[in-house]
Amino acid sequence: ILNVEQSPQSLHVQEGDSTNFTCSFPSSNFYALHWYRWETAKSPEALFVMTLNGDEKKKGRISATLNTKEGYSYLYIKGSQPEDSATYLCAFTKTSGAGSYQLTFGKGTKLSVIP
Amino acid sequence: NAGVTQTPKFQVLKTGQSMTLQCAQDMNHNSMYWYRQDPGMGLRLIYYSASEGTTDKGEVPNGYNVSRLNKREFSLRLESAAPSQTSVYFCASTGTSGTRGETQYFGPGTRLLVL
Repeated sequence: ILNVEQSPQSLHVQEGDSTNFTCSFPSSNFYALHWYRWETAKSPEALFVMTLNGDEKKKGRISATLNTKEGYSYLYIKGSQPEDSATYLCAFTKTSGAGSYQLTFGKGTKLSVIP
Repeated sequence: NAGVTQTPKFQVLKTGQSMTLQCAQDMNHNSMYWYRQDPGMGLRLIYYSASEGTTDKGEVPNGYNVSRLNKREFSLRLESAAPSQTSVYFCASTGTSGTRGETQYFGPGTRLLVL
C-alpha cells in the first residue's frame, strides 16, 4: 500500500492570511500528483493534476508546486477567504504495475478560514 | 450533462441485510471507482473497473462485490451488511482516453448506516 501523507491535519487561519500545506508521496514509480478540494457535504472537486518535476499550477488565488525527486507537493492559498474553507486532498498515481490506474489519497488537510 | 450520479443518497440497513448502491456517469468515461470515506481515514478504494468488462479489488474489498453493467453504470453490492460498513460511499469516474493520471470526477455520495 502506497503512503501519501498530508500535513498539517487541520489549520485555522484568519481571513486575508496566506497559507500552505504539504503532501508527501513515494518518489519512485511516480506518474501524477492530484489536488482536490472537498467542501463539507459535497463531493471532491479537482484542482490540479501535475506530472512533471518542477511543475507549477495556478487557479485564481490557489497554486501548487511539485518536486518528484524528493516526493512532495505544496498547495498555497493567497489571501484566504471564508469560502476557501474545505478539506484539501492530494492523491498519487504510480507509473506501472498493479493499481497503476488508481489514485491513492492522503487523509487531507482541513482548512478553516475565520472571518 | 449530470456527471456522476449515485442512488440512494441515504440508507439505513440492519445487520445482515443486503443492498446495492448504484452509480452512473454520462461523460463516456472508461474507468469507474468505488470509495468509502470514514472519519480520520480519508478516501479508501474498494473496487474499480478500468474499462467495461473488467473489475479489480482496491484497498478494502472485503464484504463487497461490484458489477460493471455497461460503460455507464457501476454498482456496489453489500451481501450481508455489517456495522463496520457504516460509511459514506463515493463513486468516481475518469478517462476518456484510458491513460493514467486523469482527473477523477466524483458523485454526491451515499450515506449508509448499518445498525
